[in-house]
Amino acid sequence: SAVISQKPSRDICQRGTSLTIQCQVDSQVTMMFWYRQQPGQSLTLIATANQGSEATYESGFVIDKFPISRPNLTFSTLTVSNMSPEDSSIYLCSVFYGAPLNNEQFFGPGTRLTVL
Amino acid sequence: AQSVTQPDIHITVSEGASLELRCNYSYGATPYLFWYVQSPGQGLQLLLKYFSGDTLVQGIKGFEAEFKRSQSSFNLRKPSVHWSDAAEYFCAVGSFSGFQKLVFGTGTRLLVSP
Repeated sequence: SAVISQKPSRDICQRGTSLTIQCQVDSQVTMMFWYRQQPGQSLTLIATANQGSEATYESGFVIDKFPISRPNLTFSTLTVSNMSPEDSSIYLCSVFYGAPLNNEQFFGPGTRLTVL
Repeated sequence: AQSVTQPDIHITVSEGASLELRCNYSYGATPYLFWYVQSPGQGLQLLLKYFSGDTLVQGIKGFEAEFKRSQSSFNLRKPSVHWSDAAEYFCAVGSFSGFQKLVFGTGTRLLVSP
Protein backbone atom coordinates (compact mmCIF):
# COMPACT_ATOMS: atom_id res chain seq x y z
CA SER A 1 0.00 0.00 0.00
CA ALA A 2 0.93 3.66 -0.19
CA VAL A 3 0.85 5.98 2.79
CA ILE A 4 0.00 9.60 2.06
CA SER A 5 0.39 12.63 4.28
CA GLN A 6 -0.94 16.12 3.68
CA LYS A 7 -0.07 19.49 5.11
CA PRO A 8 -1.78 21.42 6.51
CA SER A 9 -4.54 19.24 7.89
CA ARG A 10 -6.79 22.28 8.12
CA ASP A 11 -6.64 26.03 7.67
CA ILE A 12 -8.83 29.09 7.88
CA CYS A 13 -8.01 31.71 5.26
CA GLN A 14 -9.16 35.14 4.24
CA ARG A 15 -10.87 35.86 0.96
CA GLY A 16 -8.42 36.81 -1.80
CA THR A 17 -5.44 34.97 -0.38
CA SER A 18 -3.84 31.73 -1.60
CA LEU A 19 -3.04 28.47 0.15
CA THR A 20 -0.62 25.77 -0.92
CA ILE A 21 -1.36 22.21 0.15
CA GLN A 22 1.43 19.65 0.24
CA CYS A 23 1.11 15.95 -0.45
CA GLN A 24 3.86 13.46 0.42
CA VAL A 25 3.81 9.76 -0.49
CA ASP A 26 6.00 7.06 1.02
CA SER A 27 6.52 5.38 -2.36
CA GLN A 28 7.43 6.56 -5.81
CA VAL A 29 4.32 6.88 -7.94
CA THR A 30 3.75 8.02 -11.48
CA MET A 31 0.30 9.46 -11.09
CA MET A 32 -1.06 11.70 -8.36
CA PHE A 33 -4.55 13.13 -8.20
CA TRP A 34 -6.15 16.06 -6.46
CA TYR A 35 -9.82 15.89 -5.43
CA ARG A 36 -12.19 18.40 -3.89
CA GLN A 37 -14.96 17.43 -1.51
CA GLN A 38 -17.34 20.31 -0.94
CA PRO A 39 -19.45 20.31 2.23
CA GLY A 40 -22.06 17.57 2.09
CA GLN A 41 -21.04 16.57 -1.41
CA SER A 42 -19.04 13.91 -3.12
CA LEU A 43 -15.47 13.95 -4.34
CA THR A 44 -14.70 15.68 -7.60
CA LEU A 45 -11.45 15.22 -9.45
CA ILE A 46 -9.60 18.52 -9.95
CA ALA A 47 -6.56 17.36 -11.87
CA THR A 48 -4.10 14.57 -12.54
CA ALA A 49 -0.42 15.30 -11.96
CA ASN A 50 2.34 13.32 -13.60
CA GLN A 51 5.94 13.93 -12.71
CA GLY A 52 7.74 15.87 -15.39
CA SER A 53 4.69 17.09 -17.26
CA GLU A 54 1.93 19.64 -16.93
CA ALA A 55 -1.07 18.64 -14.86
CA THR A 56 -4.24 17.66 -16.68
CA TYR A 57 -7.30 19.52 -15.42
CA GLU A 58 -10.88 18.31 -15.41
CA SER A 59 -13.71 20.31 -16.83
CA GLY A 60 -14.50 23.29 -14.63
CA PHE A 61 -11.01 23.55 -13.13
CA VAL A 62 -8.24 25.77 -14.49
CA ILE A 63 -4.55 26.08 -13.86
CA ASP A 64 -4.72 29.74 -12.87
CA LYS A 65 -7.04 28.90 -10.00
CA PHE A 66 -5.47 25.57 -8.97
CA PRO A 67 -1.80 25.51 -9.98
CA ILE A 68 -0.14 22.18 -9.29
CA SER A 69 3.50 21.25 -8.94
CA ARG A 70 4.96 17.77 -9.22
CA PRO A 71 8.72 18.10 -8.71
CA ASN A 72 9.41 14.42 -8.06
CA LEU A 73 7.81 10.99 -7.77
CA THR A 74 6.82 11.33 -4.10
CA PHE A 75 5.59 14.90 -3.76
CA SER A 76 3.02 17.30 -5.14
CA THR A 77 1.46 20.61 -4.20
CA LEU A 78 -1.91 22.14 -4.99
CA THR A 79 -2.42 25.88 -4.62
CA VAL A 80 -5.87 27.33 -4.21
CA SER A 81 -5.51 30.86 -5.54
CA ASN A 82 -7.49 34.04 -4.90
CA MET A 83 -9.78 32.17 -2.56
CA SER A 84 -13.46 32.83 -2.03
CA PRO A 85 -15.89 31.22 0.44
CA GLU A 86 -16.98 28.86 -2.35
CA ASP A 87 -13.52 27.26 -2.15
CA SER A 88 -14.24 26.01 1.36
CA SER A 89 -13.82 22.27 0.95
CA ILE A 90 -11.76 19.29 1.87
CA TYR A 91 -8.93 18.81 -0.60
CA LEU A 92 -7.60 15.28 -0.95
CA CYS A 93 -4.48 13.97 -2.56
CA SER A 94 -4.57 10.51 -4.06
CA VAL A 95 -2.15 8.15 -5.77
CA PHE A 96 -2.57 5.21 -8.06
CA TYR A 97 -0.34 2.43 -6.81
CA GLY A 98 0.19 -1.28 -7.08
CA ALA A 99 0.92 -4.11 -9.42
CA PRO A 100 -0.95 -4.41 -12.71
CA LEU A 101 -4.44 -5.90 -12.25
CA ASN A 102 -4.12 -5.42 -8.49
CA ASN A 103 -3.83 -1.71 -8.09
CA GLU A 104 -5.94 0.88 -6.42
CA GLN A 105 -6.14 4.51 -5.46
CA PHE A 106 -4.97 5.50 -2.01
CA PHE A 107 -6.12 8.72 -0.43
CA GLY A 108 -4.53 11.12 1.97
CA PRO A 109 -6.35 12.35 5.09
CA GLY A 110 -7.36 15.58 3.39
CA THR A 111 -6.92 19.28 4.05
CA ARG A 112 -9.99 21.03 5.41
CA LEU A 113 -10.06 24.59 4.10
CA THR A 114 -12.39 27.29 5.37
CA VAL A 115 -12.44 30.63 3.56
CA LEU A 116 -13.95 33.61 5.36
CA ALA B 1 -20.29 9.72 -19.20
CA GLN B 2 -20.06 7.71 -16.05
CA SER B 3 -22.26 8.49 -13.08
CA VAL B 4 -23.02 6.96 -9.71
CA THR B 5 -26.19 7.28 -7.66
CA GLN B 6 -26.41 6.56 -3.97
CA PRO B 7 -30.07 7.13 -3.22
CA ASP B 8 -29.78 7.08 0.56
CA ILE B 9 -28.19 10.15 2.15
CA HIS B 10 -28.47 8.79 5.69
CA ILE B 11 -29.11 5.34 7.06
CA THR B 12 -29.50 4.37 10.71
CA VAL B 13 -28.96 0.75 11.70
CA SER B 14 -29.01 -0.87 15.10
CA GLU B 15 -25.78 -2.45 16.23
CA GLY B 16 -25.82 -6.12 15.30
CA ALA B 17 -28.38 -5.66 12.55
CA SER B 18 -27.66 -6.24 8.89
CA LEU B 19 -26.81 -3.46 6.49
CA GLU B 20 -27.30 -2.81 2.80
CA LEU B 21 -26.16 0.39 1.10
CA ARG B 22 -27.41 0.97 -2.41
CA CYS B 23 -25.37 2.03 -5.40
CA ASN B 24 -26.46 2.36 -9.02
CA TYR B 25 -24.10 3.28 -11.80
CA SER B 26 -24.23 4.39 -15.38
CA TYR B 27 -21.40 3.37 -17.65
CA GLY B 28 -21.25 2.26 -21.25
CA ALA B 29 -18.73 -0.52 -20.87
CA THR B 30 -17.85 -3.04 -18.21
CA PRO B 31 -17.39 -0.95 -15.12
CA TYR B 32 -14.74 -1.02 -12.48
CA LEU B 33 -16.62 -0.56 -9.21
CA PHE B 34 -15.43 0.43 -5.78
CA TRP B 35 -16.69 1.06 -2.29
CA TYR B 36 -14.75 3.42 -0.03
CA VAL B 37 -15.31 4.35 3.60
CA GLN B 38 -14.45 7.72 5.12
CA SER B 39 -14.34 7.97 8.88
CA PRO B 40 -14.32 11.40 10.55
CA GLY B 41 -10.96 13.08 10.05
CA GLN B 42 -9.68 10.17 7.99
CA GLY B 43 -8.94 9.74 4.33
CA LEU B 44 -10.85 7.32 2.18
CA GLN B 45 -10.16 3.64 2.67
CA LEU B 46 -10.95 1.06 0.01
CA LEU B 47 -13.41 -1.57 1.27
CA LEU B 48 -13.63 -3.65 -1.89
CA LYS B 49 -13.53 -3.51 -5.64
CA TYR B 50 -14.95 -5.32 -8.64
CA PHE B 51 -13.06 -5.61 -11.89
CA SER B 52 -14.34 -8.89 -13.34
CA GLY B 53 -15.12 -12.48 -12.45
CA ASP B 54 -17.21 -13.51 -9.47
CA THR B 55 -19.97 -10.97 -9.02
CA LEU B 56 -19.97 -11.34 -5.24
CA VAL B 57 -16.93 -9.55 -3.90
CA GLN B 58 -15.57 -9.86 -0.39
CA GLY B 59 -13.85 -6.92 1.21
CA ILE B 60 -12.28 -5.86 4.45
CA LYS B 61 -14.07 -5.45 7.79
CA GLY B 62 -16.66 -8.11 6.90
CA PHE B 63 -18.18 -6.17 4.00
CA GLU B 64 -19.28 -7.67 0.69
CA ALA B 65 -20.86 -6.31 -2.46
CA GLU B 66 -22.70 -7.87 -5.35
CA PHE B 67 -22.42 -6.68 -8.93
CA LYS B 68 -25.69 -7.02 -10.82
CA ARG B 69 -25.27 -5.98 -14.42
CA SER B 70 -28.99 -6.27 -15.22
CA GLN B 71 -29.79 -3.75 -12.50
CA SER B 72 -26.65 -1.61 -12.90
CA SER B 73 -26.14 -1.99 -9.18
CA PHE B 74 -23.29 -2.66 -6.80
CA ASN B 75 -24.85 -2.75 -3.34
CA LEU B 76 -22.73 -3.03 -0.21
CA ARG B 77 -23.75 -5.41 2.55
CA LYS B 78 -22.67 -6.46 6.00
CA PRO B 79 -24.48 -9.13 8.04
CA SER B 80 -23.88 -7.56 11.45
CA VAL B 81 -23.00 -3.92 11.94
CA HIS B 82 -20.61 -2.73 14.66
CA TRP B 83 -20.61 0.74 16.21
CA SER B 84 -17.22 1.37 14.62
CA ASP B 85 -18.81 1.07 11.16
CA ALA B 86 -20.42 4.49 11.57
CA ALA B 87 -18.90 6.53 8.75
CA GLU B 88 -19.53 7.91 5.27
CA TYR B 89 -19.58 5.35 2.48
CA PHE B 90 -18.86 6.19 -1.13
CA CYS B 91 -19.49 4.11 -4.19
CA ALA B 92 -17.35 4.86 -7.23
CA VAL B 93 -17.12 3.75 -10.83
CA GLY B 94 -13.87 3.82 -12.71
CA SER B 95 -12.76 3.78 -16.25
CA PHE B 96 -9.37 2.36 -17.01
CA SER B 97 -7.18 4.33 -19.36
CA GLY B 98 -3.85 3.33 -17.92
CA PHE B 99 -5.13 4.45 -14.56
CA GLN B 100 -8.39 4.46 -12.69
CA LYS B 101 -10.32 7.66 -13.23
CA LEU B 102 -12.97 7.52 -10.53
CA VAL B 103 -16.41 9.08 -10.43
CA PHE B 104 -17.88 9.07 -6.94
CA GLY B 105 -21.43 8.94 -5.70
CA THR B 106 -22.68 11.50 -3.22
CA GLY B 107 -22.15 9.16 -0.29
CA THR B 108 -24.30 7.55 2.38
CA ARG B 109 -23.78 8.42 6.02
CA LEU B 110 -24.23 5.40 8.25
CA LEU B 111 -25.34 5.94 11.82
CA VAL B 112 -25.26 3.01 14.23
CA SER B 113 -27.63 3.05 17.17
CA PRO B 114 -27.01 1.08 20.37
